[in-house]
Amino acid sequence: VQLVESGGGLVQPGGSLRLSCAASGISVNDNYMSWVRQAPGKELEWVSVLYSIGTTYYADSVAGRFTISRDDSTNTLFLQMNSLTAEDTAVYYCAREAHSCTTTSCSTFWYFNLWGRGTLVSVSS
Amino acid sequence: DIQMTQSPSTLSASVGDRVTITCRASQTINDWLAWYQQKPGKAPKLLIYKASTLESGVPSRFSGSGSGTEFTLTISSLQPDDFATYYCQQYNSYSRTFGQGTKVDIK
Repeated sequence: VQLVESGGGLVQPGGSLRLSCAASGISVNDNYMSWVRQAPGKELEWVSVLYSIGTTYYADSVAGRFTISRDDSTNTLFLQMNSLTAEDTAVYYCAREAHSCTTTSCSTFWYFNLWGRGTLVSVSS
Repeated sequence: DIQMTQSPSTLSASVGDRVTITCRASQTINDWLAWYQQKPGKAPKLLIYKASTLESGVPSRFSGSGSGTEFTLTISSLQPDDFATYYCQQYNSYSRTFGQGTKVDIK
């Protein structure tokens, strides 16, 4: 069971980047999948979540600029990042949120029980 | 947003030491708190959730306690594999905020 992020790199301010998170051993469409980032010298910051039913949520700092999505055929989670600024420079982690399901519905607990190693995004001119 | 403050920021200890890390929330979070361990270049690892419940496979030398606004992570006898950075995270609110981390290094 693992998550492997890719797609990071150096991008100019105002530019775009798409991150990928390839999952193995789990199905991204059966889980609550998040992106969490860590800027240099700063604490971890939750960025976005995609629920198994397709609902999405974003941190205020990225709402309107970032889009989370998934491809069920490749079992991959994505984060499309637009209008990037220096404040978006960070290591971006893909993470699965703990959740529970009844026979009729599921809900997330908002903490993370599986993480990837991260991919570095640097925004600089 | 709920702010999480960890102390100390850095802790120097020896193998076999008992180590305690504190995490304080800016408002009550009941027992909706998780602890993670992270080593350089590696994925963070969940250690404890619901303040005191040990994640499956985590050694029993790790324990968590607290409720409301003050929480602790204790390592009863520090092992060489435990030198790492530890983070707390509240999940009382959807903002899912983290502490700034506590680095445990070798004395």
